Amino acid sequence: NAGVTQTPKFQVLKTGQSMTLQCAQDMNHNSMYWYRQDPGMGLRLIYYSASEGTTDKGEVPNGYNVSRLNKREFSLRLESAAPSQTSVYFCASSEVDEQFFGPGTRLTVL
Amino acid sequence: QQQVKQSPQSLIVQKGGISIINCAYENTAFDYFPWYQQFPGKGPALLIAIRPDVSEKKEGRFTISFNKSAKQFSLHIMDSQPGDSATYFCAPNRSTSYGKLTFGQGTILTVHP
Repeated sequence: NAGVTQTPKFQVLKTGQSMTLQCAQDMNHNSMYWYRQDPGMGLRLIYYSASEGTTDKGEVPNGYNVSRLNKREFSLRLESAAPSQTSVYFCASSEVDEQFFGPGTRLTVL
Repeated sequence: QQQVKQSPQSLIVQKGGISIINCAYENTAFDYFPWYQQFPGKGPALLIAIRPDVSEKKEGRFTISFNKSAKQFSLHIMDSQPGDSATYFCAPNRSTSYGKLTFGQGTILTVHP
């Protein structure tokens, strides 16, 4: 039982490059989330998926797209990375109230 | 739109002392009040949570106190240990909001031996 897994753990991009962050959970949870964490800002919700087949914007969706591939997997795509997207990205899943977080992806955009 | 305010931003406590972190919120529709703990290089993990039908909940050395009229809740860590050194986030939310959490800014707790 791995919980929530994220790949990659670290990534460095140049401005304008694209990439996809992968997330998978093995807890059979319906809801999945993408957050970004910046110093002094807490965690901010980028996108969420309440159930398979649905996605909705969170607090800071600009510059990102998501895909809920199936019940297990929820990916986050940066089409044209910008330095402002340098952050630590966390994926999470939940069934009721408690959210279970992955280990994070540290992304640097130069 | 600052819905959740957490204080203090950082806290230094001696081993054995009491750590107190506060969270103030604006949305009266919130009905679930958790605290998450995050160690460096890890994702946050639920530490303890409370619902508004009780004013206090205790789990071991950790206690949540809830004041509905003041729209505040706090985390108390008794007999603080160096292993408690972490960042703590409050994240109140509504049960009907598909688990969308509004996180506080975080409190960095350092417990000195």
